[in-house]
Amino acid sequence: AAGVIQSPRHLIKEKRETATLKCYPIPRHDTVYWYQQGPGQDPQFLISFYEKMQSDKGSIPDRFSAQQFSDYHSELNMSSLELGDSALYFCASSFGRNIYNEQFFGPGTRLTVL
Amino acid sequence: SQQGEEDPQALSIQEGENATMNCSYKTSINNLQWYRQNSGRGLVHLILIRSNEREKHSGRLRVTLDTSKKSSSLLITASRAADTASYFCATDAGQAGTALIFGKGTTLSVSS
Repeated sequence: AAGVIQSPRHLIKEKRETATLKCYPIPRHDTVYWYQQGPGQDPQFLISFYEKMQSDKGSIPDRFSAQQFSDYHSELNMSSLELGDSALYFCASSFGRNIYNEQFFGPGTRLTVL
Repeated sequence: SQQGEEDPQALSIQEGENATMNCSYKTSINNLQWYRQNSGRGLVHLILIRSNEREKHSGRLRVTLDTSKKSSSLLITASRAADTASYFCATDAGQAGTALIFGKGTTLSVSS
């Protein structure tokens, strides 16, 4: 079965640079979530989209923005990168916003900021 | 923001033993989910228990939920070395939406 695809899998950037992470949800899933997991930390919710509209907002810095496109894939844009942005970024997808829907996670993008 | 705590933070057992991990949360929930994460890898969904359920089984996994105590436990029976991973509980945000709020996780190490 198709899973959530994230690209790139690894990314190395310098401070103050920008980065774009991509997420391709499972086919027919219309909801995408972004999470950030720092080293040794639990995943923290950043932002989510349902039917191409922003749905919920968590602890996403103002330097970050995201959107969901007509084909339901999503991109997380990160600007003015800081050392503290080094983390594993997960995308998850689900069908609909039913509170009992399982979220399927992608393998993550490991971002290293030097 | 962090929803709750997991206990213990780390657990080391021998193959064949049972492993029990606990999770507490702070707000009212609609469901609680358990995820597994191998070191630096993706999150794998293990089981979802609804707020009106008290116990759920899936293979060697048994999850309980006590909404009066705002706590849940994950029991892995007859553990194997391949069960070595971090285990996280995650709750929905209640009225605030469907984003998941994760606990700090328990690192389980199963030695053969």
